[in-house]
Amino acid sequence: AQSVAQPEDQVNVAEGNPLTVKCTYSVSGNPYLFWYVQYPNRGLQFLLKYITGDNLVKGSYGFEAEFNKSQTSFHLKKPSALVSDSALYFCAVMRGRDDKIIFGKGTRLHILP
Amino acid sequence: DTGVSQDPRHKITKRGQNVTFRCDPISEHNRLYWYRQTLGQGPEFLTYFQNEAQLEKSRLLSDRFSAERPKGSFSTLEIQRTEQGDSAMYLCASTARLLELDEQFFGPGTRLTVL
Repeated sequence: AQSVAQPEDQVNVAEGNPLTVKCTYSVSGNPYLFWYVQYPNRGLQFLLKYITGDNLVKGSYGFEAEFNKSQTSFHLKKPSALVSDSALYFCAVMRGRDDKIIFGKGTRLHILP
Repeated sequence: DTGVSQDPRHKITKRGQNVTFRCDPISEHNRLYWYRQTLGQGPEFLTYFQNEAQLEKSRLLSDRFSAERPKGSFSTLEIQRTEQGDSAMYLCASTARLLELDEQFFGPGTRLTVL
């Protein structure tokens, strides 16, 4: 069965510094990978996805993620963090187009001013 | 507003009562998903529909849970004889099943509290 691991419950980064939120996955075959963000009292918002092609995927709000097949990872990155990036971030995986989406437990990102 | 909407946003009920939630997806989306999210966890898949057909149900969806999408548009999720363990945020998402894998668009959720 497919699964997603987000090893860090919380990540603290100073404003202006680069940030990384880690994600590893386990799935048979080629995965479809996603990052979503959840702000307080708001629904999950899509950030980016990897389906195929270039391993570096660019998404909303300046975020990007790098797909690494050998390490089965899909870490979320941003070169310069903003206080407004503080939120709960979820990594997710699908086995195929007709499969359900499986979410990780989430990582709370705190950007310190 | 053309996003996914859910109603109600909050529901407080007593143990043993039945509750029903509604989800209105984005109009052209033919797939609709239900998830449950508890504190400190990511959303957990419950079930999904392709138009009006319910294609998959999670083991999490006990016999007390039932979901419908009668006309392939809005969907309802009913929980019968609620238990305190049912307290959670219930999320609905929709997507258009096209050639390209579209992301799922989520509604704001219905927060259920069972007393």
